[in-house]
Amino acid sequence: NAGVTQTPKFQVLKTGQSMTLQCAQDMNHEYMSWYRQDPGMGLRLIHYSVGAGITDQGEVPNGYNVSRSTTEDFPLRLLSAAPSQTSVYFCASSLGLFETQYFGPGTRLLVL
Amino acid sequence: DQQVKQNSPSLSVQEGRISILNCDYTNSMFDYFLWYKKYPAEGPTFLISISSIKDKNEDGRFTVFLNKSAKHLSLHIVPSQPGDSAVYFCAASEDAGGTSYGKLTFGQGTILTVHP
Repeated sequence: NAGVTQTPKFQVLKTGQSMTLQCAQDMNHEYMSWYRQDPGMGLRLIHYSVGAGITDQGEVPNGYNVSRSTTEDFPLRLLSAAPSQTSVYFCASSLGLFETQYFGPGTRLLVL
Repeated sequence: DQQVKQNSPSLSVQEGRISILNCDYTNSMFDYFLWYKKYPAEGPTFLISISSIKDKNEDGRFTVFLNKSAKHLSLHIVPSQPGDSAVYFCAASEDAGGTSYGKLTFGQGTILTVHP
C-alpha cells in the first residue's frame, strides 16, 4: 500500500496562475479531505468528500475547488492563485466517520 | 476564533523524563479528541485519541487525559525519547448528529524537543 500520495512536493506559482494539487489513496477510503497548514494556525480544513461524487466545504474553502469522480482521487484546484494561498497543503483519507485520518506527505506551495 | 488552543509553542525535556503537552478547547460540542505527531517534511500521523465518555486513554508510553469540565486535555509521554522530537497537534471533532464526518479542528501545534 502506498497510502496517501500527493504531487507535486513543491510548486512555485505566479499570482493569477492556476494549478491542480493531486491526491490519491489506495486504501479504498470513502472519506478524503484537504487541509492547509500555516505558521501559528495549525491545520485548517479546506474541502472534504464523504464519497465519490460528494464534496462539501470546510473552514477555509474560498479560492479552491474540488471534485471526486473516483474513490481514489481527490484533486484540489486553485483557479487564480494569490499570495495568501502560500502554504503547505495536506490531503487526508479515512475509512469512515471518526476513523483515523491518514495524511499524505504534503505539497509546499509558494505564490509570488 | 481559535476553538482549539495549544498555548505552548515549544517544550524541551530531557530524555527519560515526562513530557506533558497541553490543549484547551472552547466548543462544548466537541466529543472526540486526537493527538497527531508531525516530523518535518512529512504529513501528520495519528498518535492517540479519546472519546468524551472517557477521561483517560493509554497506549504504551502515551497517555491522554481529558477534563471535560475544564475543557482541557493533555498528552503525557513517559519516558520521553529523542525520537519523540516532533510537532504535536491536538485536534477535536463533534458528532453534529452524525453528519460532521468527524471534521477535525486542529490546535496550532507544540514543538517537542527531547534532549539526549
